[in-house]
Amino acid sequence: DTAVSQTPKYLVTQMGNDKSIKCEQNLGHDTMYWYKQDSKKFLKIMFSYNNKELIINETVPNRFSPKSPDKAHLNLHINSLELGDSAVYFCASSQDTASGGEQYFGPGTRLTVT
Amino acid sequence: SQQGEEDPQALSIQEGENATMNCSYKTSINNLQWYRQNSGRGLVHLILIRSNEREKHSGRLRVTLDTSKKSSSLLITASRAADTASYFCATVPGTYKYIFGTGTRLKVLA
Repeated sequence: DTAVSQTPKYLVTQMGNDKSIKCEQNLGHDTMYWYKQDSKKFLKIMFSYNNKELIINETVPNRFSPKSPDKAHLNLHINSLELGDSAVYFCASSQDTASGGEQYFGPGTRLTVT
Repeated sequence: SQQGEEDPQALSIQEGENATMNCSYKTSINNLQWYRQNSGRGLVHLILIRSNEREKHSGRLRVTLDTSKKSSSLLITASRAADTASYFCATVPGTYKYIFGTGTRLKVLA
């Protein structure tokens, strides 16, 4: 059983298009995250959701819109894709603890914008 | 930048040797975590050390934390080829926020 799954695994698209990435976790966690990992392997948090509510938005352009229909799902929609959006996007989840528990990561979605 | 710094950026050792990588960070923290990332895969949690702890062990892993110096180290003993991966530290300055380091690429030669 996959704990955190993402679809699609690869996404190749042209500038200006709109695309979505889906994430699901079956761990019963309350908190989910989106991260962006660039070509230099820097991993940066984009959003954090707790019980379907947005907790952290790390100055991400508003072309990126996360949506959490329920605790187990956190999707990422990206409008008007730009070349600089090319990266690997990771979804993660953790149990809601005050001190920050371990995170479980999905396999990643490699987005290539041409 | 809040990004943590890890050093070395890359490390190449022979199988059976020990590997040590370091992480420095900038803010006060609740805890610090280490993750492994195999090529093309997601990150896997290895170990968590709380701010009031100084050392922690898990199997062949040993983590130390010095909050006065804002630094941590990860020691992998008796390394194996399967340990080849990138290793990241992540600091947790507050709830829901994780700040990852720049990563150390470890290559273990058989």
